[in-house]
Amino acid sequence: KQEVTQIPAALSVPEGENLVLNCSFTDSAIYNLQWFRQDPGKGLTSLLLIQSSQREQTSGRLNASLDKSSGRSTLYIAASQPGDSATYLCAAHRVGAQKLVFGQGTRLTINP
Amino acid sequence: EAGVVQSPRYKIIEKKQPVAFWCNPISGHNTLYWYLQNLGQGPELLIRYENEEAVDDSQLPKDRFSAERLKGVDSTLKIQPAELGDSAVYLCASSLGVDGTDTQYFGPGTRLTVL
Repeated sequence: KQEVTQIPAALSVPEGENLVLNCSFTDSAIYNLQWFRQDPGKGLTSLLLIQSSQREQTSGRLNASLDKSSGRSTLYIAASQPGDSATYLCAAHRVGAQKLVFGQGTRLTINP
Repeated sequence: EAGVVQSPRYKIIEKKQPVAFWCNPISGHNTLYWYLQNLGQGPELLIRYENEEAVDDSQLPKDRFSAERLKGVDSTLKIQPAELGDSAVYLCASSLGVDGTDTQYFGPGTRLTVL
């Protein structure tokens, strides 16, 4: 059974800092790993999808990496802005399961 | 392009009452998902449809929950009767392919409160 863990549950940093969010998963047999953003009272917005054959994906100030052997993924946010404040969730798509298994999320606050 | 549409956005009911949620996926998306999200947790899959066929409903509490996706487009999730523990956000998502490996697009969700 795939388990996905995100630590810490909450993170608060000053504006302008670079930061890293962590995601770990127990089963390395995955199709892909996805990072989502969720604003309060809203649905999830897909940020990045990393295929199992890839090591990283980049979009603007966001960079996500994937290390299947260690069961870890990181989301790097450069030059953080108050608008980046949200909950960030990672989800692993396990081979054969045909579904995403989500972590519990990291609630990020960027202080002006 | 319109995103995934869900209604209602909020619903408050008393326990033992029935409730229904509606979802209209992105046009052309073949796969539709219903998730349940408890406060402070990630979403958990309830049911997945490929076109009009429910291909994974293993996590759906079938004694009280039911879902349908007629004509392979929009979908309805029903709870009857609702219990206090059903209070949560119900999210609908859709994706283009049928193997479940491509990007999922989520609606805003329906927040259910059972009193």
